[in-house]
Amino acid sequence: GAVVSQHPSWVICKSGTSVKIECRSLDFQATTMFWYRQFPKQSLMLMATSNEGSKATYEQGVEKDKFLINHASLTLSTLTVTSAHPEDSSFYICSARPTGKREQYFGPGTRLTVT
Amino acid sequence: QQQVKQSPQSLIVQKGGIPIINCAYENTAFDYFPWYQQFPGKGPALLIAIRPDVSEKKEGRFTISFNKSAKQFSLHIMDSQPGDSATYFCAANSNYQLIWGAGTKLIIKP
Repeated sequence: GAVVSQHPSWVICKSGTSVKIECRSLDFQATTMFWYRQFPKQSLMLMATSNEGSKATYEQGVEKDKFLINHASLTLSTLTVTSAHPEDSSFYICSARPTGKREQYFGPGTRLTVT
Repeated sequence: QQQVKQSPQSLIVQKGGIPIINCAYENTAFDYFPWYQQFPGKGPALLIAIRPDVSEKKEGRFTISFNKSAKQFSLHIMDSQPGDSATYFCAANSNYQLIWGAGTKLIIKP
């Protein structure tokens, strides 16, 4: 149980285009989902917290207009990187918290490369 | 106040040895302390977690020791295997958000 999927697992896009990453909780409902960014050999950096049916809460320094988050259902959250630039290249990971629990379960991550 | 300090940064242990990774925190409001294992190119996987009213928890070869008065907790891996080679992260829960340690890269030598 507690499986989180992420799609795509890797994506290459041209500078200036937008990319959408999906995060799904497959066998549980998640009122809250989180989006992280991870640089090589570093810890996870929380970008934003999304609650189903409401606006995401972004961490300081994260541009909400650049990283659009939608949490339309209890099993799906999406992150759209708009007008991507090479500096947005990174490993993006989502996690989902089962409703009423403290545990977070992570997706396998998405490697984004912007050329 | 919100930090979780993790050590060591890297650790090499012979197969069968017991690697120990330590974490320390300041915020006494933290109420849940998980450990995650991450392999290269993968998302973190929840290994084991503990609440502050418990001093020790075991799941298979993984044990968390928790010292509430010292505000420290540690992960022990019994009978370590080369397949345990990964990066390990401790974390602490604050208002349903996780505050992360910096990670420990563990290598188990055959």
